[in-house]
Amino acid sequence: SQTIHQWPATLVQPVGSPLSLECTVEGTSNPNLYWYRQAAGRGLQLLFYSVGIGQISSEVPQNLSASRPQDRQFILSSKKLLLSDSGFYLCAWNGGGYEQYFGPGTRLTVT
Amino acid sequence: AQKVTQAQTEISVVEKEDVTLDCVYETRDTTYYLFWYKQPPSGELVFLIRRNSFDEQNEISGRYSWNFQKSTSSFNFTITASQVVDSAVYFCALSEANTGGFKTIFGAGTRLFVKA
Repeated sequence: SQTIHQWPATLVQPVGSPLSLECTVEGTSNPNLYWYRQAAGRGLQLLFYSVGIGQISSEVPQNLSASRPQDRQFILSSKKLLLSDSGFYLCAWNGGGYEQYFGPGTRLTVT
Repeated sequence: AQKVTQAQTEISVVEKEDVTLDCVYETRDTTYYLFWYKQPPSGELVFLIRRNSFDEQNEISGRYSWNFQKSTSSFNFTITASQVVDSAVYFCALSEANTGGFKTIFGAGTRLFVKA
């Protein structure tokens, strides 16, 4: 069966520091991968999606970037965090269907 | 443009009551997919159901049922005989076929509290 991992689970970072969140999927090949952000008490905002290695589509212009160095690895990065980057970051994948399967999330607090 | 509206921000019920979560969507695409996800306090979203735009059959799964009506652009979710474990945030979502399923729009969510 397929599983999706995210780490770290929680992170507290100062403003202006770099960020790297990692997501990996097991048990499937060539998945579509997604990064979402959920602000406190809000819905999900799609940040990036990827259909293959090195292929990244950005949905929201901001100081975040994403990379897909391997088939089942998706990384979310920032060179300098802003206070507004605080939130719950969720990675998701799907295969042939349209429904998405989510990881456990990373709770980021920028101080 | 696609849009999902969940007008109920929070609902509070007592255990064993039935509760319906409303979802209204907007799309110009003739082929689309609707979803419900559950987000328990742990935070991880759990996929519950997908309906295709060409299939208006209602669906029942245990205590859960879904009512899809294209005429009113609604996809409502009913929990029968609610339980404390049903307490969570529930999201309705929409994906248009012309986006290849890559762009799923989520509603703002409805927080359900089930009291013992």
